[in-house]
Amino acid sequence: DIQMTQSPSTLSASVGDRVTITCRASQSFSDWLAWYQQKPGKAPKLLIYKASYLETGVPSRFSGSGSGTEFTLTITSLQPDDFATYYCQQYSSLWAFGQGTKVEIK
Amino acid sequence: QVQLQESGPGLVKPSETLSLSCTVSGSSISGYYWGWVRQPPGKGLEWIAWVYYTGNTNYNPSLKSRVTISVDTSKNQFSLKLRSVTAADTAVYYCTRHPYGRGSDYWGQGTLVTVSS
Repeated sequence: DIQMTQSPSTLSASVGDRVTITCRASQSFSDWLAWYQQKPGKAPKLLIYKASYLETGVPSRFSGSGSGTEFTLTITSLQPDDFATYYCQQYSSLWAFGQGTKVEIK
Repeated sequence: QVQLQESGPGLVKPSETLSLSCTVSGSSISGYYWGWVRQPPGKGLEWIAWVYYTGNTNYNPSLKSRVTISVDTSKNQFSLKLRSVTAADTAVYYCTRHPYGRGSDYWGQGTLVTVSS
């Protein structure tokens, strides 16, 4: 099984900051890696798929990159609506989520 | 628009079977993967299982011995059964649509299932 580890677990940032979240896999796999945003009491929302493809309707300040075992989600110029918890997910054969990164107001 | 709606009991007794259905509207079941994901209160997301519209399935190894996922194309529904539940299975259960090669692009609103006597 491929295990996913996100870092950091919590991130304090201010509006306008550039934010980077990392997701590391226990073994190399294809680029079938997605990023989700979840707000309290709501279902997750797909932001990025196939490591770097922006889902339709998602603001361009979100971007994804990486390959092999290391992937990143970057938010340029953090907006008030971006304070949430973010999850990575690998979806090659078996699926697995990272443990989540909470982005909170500094 | 595409909508997914989970349905099933909100309370299940320990050792019994949790049964949930997901009704899909605005999208055909055909051509997609469909999944179940759960989230214990205050914790992260855990993938449970997926089913392809053809009936092919795959399961989280940690739950595989207790889980069955199935699809009914005639009803545009898919279902989850989790046997021998304990308090650790208390969670919000989400159903999702997952196009091939992409992420889960549509999610149900989630249904809280509590395991308690």
